Amino acid sequence: AQSVTQPDIHITVSEGASLELRCNYSYGATPYLFWYVQSPGQGLQLLLKYFSGDTLVQGIKGFEAEFKRSQSSFNLRKPSVHWSDAAEYFCAVGPQGFKTIFGAGTRLFVKA
Amino acid sequence: GAVVSQHPSRVICKSGTSVKIECRSLDFQATTMFWYRQFPKQSLMLMATSNEGSKATYEQGVEKDKFLINHASLTLSTLTVTSAHPEDSSFYICSALTGRENEQYFGPGTRLTVT
Repeated sequence: AQSVTQPDIHITVSEGASLELRCNYSYGATPYLFWYVQSPGQGLQLLLKYFSGDTLVQGIKGFEAEFKRSQSSFNLRKPSVHWSDAAEYFCAVGPQGFKTIFGAGTRLFVKA
Repeated sequence: GAVVSQHPSRVICKSGTSVKIECRSLDFQATTMFWYRQFPKQSLMLMATSNEGSKATYEQGVEKDKFLINHASLTLSTLTVTSAHPEDSSFYICSALTGRENEQYFGPGTRLTVT
């Protein structure tokens, strides 16, 4: 069955430190992979996506993610976190008849 | 980029009444829209897939008679919560599927509170 696992419920990093959010997926074919960010009370904003090609994907706000087929992973990274990055981050996989499956989310806290 | 709006952003209603939530794709046509429900501090749960001109497809466990979905045009889908109860209180988010690489654009969400 298709699934997405985000092992970390929450992560705290210091402002200026690097960040890596983990995502593992289970999918029968080459997946479409996404990372979304959600601020409190807001909808989701797409950070980046991977469909094919270069496995290192650049996104908005300085985020990048790397698709590793052998590890079934699509981890999100940022070299230097800003306080405004504090939010909930969702990894997602699709399509499944056009349905997107979301992970449980990782809440990022940024400390000064 | 593609923009999806939702109206209202917040609504409070009394138990037993019905509430309609609108989802619009503002600058593109969407033959497919999705409705999600999100409980506090949880992920998005897909409720139904809305296809323009046809009946919505509901996920297992979602009551179609309670959550009425209408996708009457290529830019508008509506979700009506009928006979609302306090347990229906939640954050409802819609998304619209672009034709390009199955990319979804999400609306800002609607906070429903049933008293």
